[in-house]
Amino acid sequence: GQNIDQPTEMTATEGAIVQINCTYQTSGFNGLFWYQQHAGEAPTFLSYNVLDGLEEKGRFSSFLSRSKGYSYLLLKELQMKDSASYLCAPLILTGGGNKLTFGTGTQLKVEL
Amino acid sequence: NAGVMQNPRHLVRRRGQEARLRCSPMKGHSHVYWYRQLPEEGLKFMVYLQKENIIDESGMPKERFSAEFPKEGPSILRIQQVVRGDSAAYFCASSPPRREGDNEQFFGPGTRLTVL
Repeated sequence: GQNIDQPTEMTATEGAIVQINCTYQTSGFNGLFWYQQHAGEAPTFLSYNVLDGLEEKGRFSSFLSRSKGYSYLLLKELQMKDSASYLCAPLILTGGGNKLTFGTGTQLKVEL
Repeated sequence: NAGVMQNPRHLVRRRGQEARLRCSPMKGHSHVYWYRQLPEEGLKFMVYLQKENIIDESGMPKERFSAEFPKEGPSILRIQQVVRGDSAAYFCASSPPRREGDNEQFFGPGTRLTVL
């Protein structure tokens, strides 16, 4: 089966840095996505890691360690608009293609 | 360059009625995925389709739910004899033909189904 674990909630201050961790146990692993989801809206793509290491993209960075089944999303210079749910989603190889398996998400609250 | 389109955005049904949810993938995308998000829960994979083929339906409930992606037209998720527990947001995502390193799924705005 698939198991994805990330904290349920986090709170951080505007301008600060926050790291959201995700551990996973999956079969057929083919990379890991991070999505952002504001309440009542669709998930939007943040990052995709398939190789070990850090991928940086503006204020957002994502890290992957395949051997440890571990990833994190790093958000710098937090803004109020970053308050949202952050979804860790391993990509699983399935017959003929891939499918995403989502964790329950980490609800981030950015405060003044 | 329209994104993934879903309609209706909101759907209200009474118990026992049928719900039909439509998804038009992004231009050039041949893979469609359906996910369900129950209130206060994460997204759960339901089904993965390519044109005229169901590739993986391991997340679909065994009864009342079906999905198709015909050669022409949108993908349809059909729920027969809806019950209150079907109330959820249903998201569709699409991706291009599979290429190495290109696996991003683009999500539509979702259909929020409410069963009275």
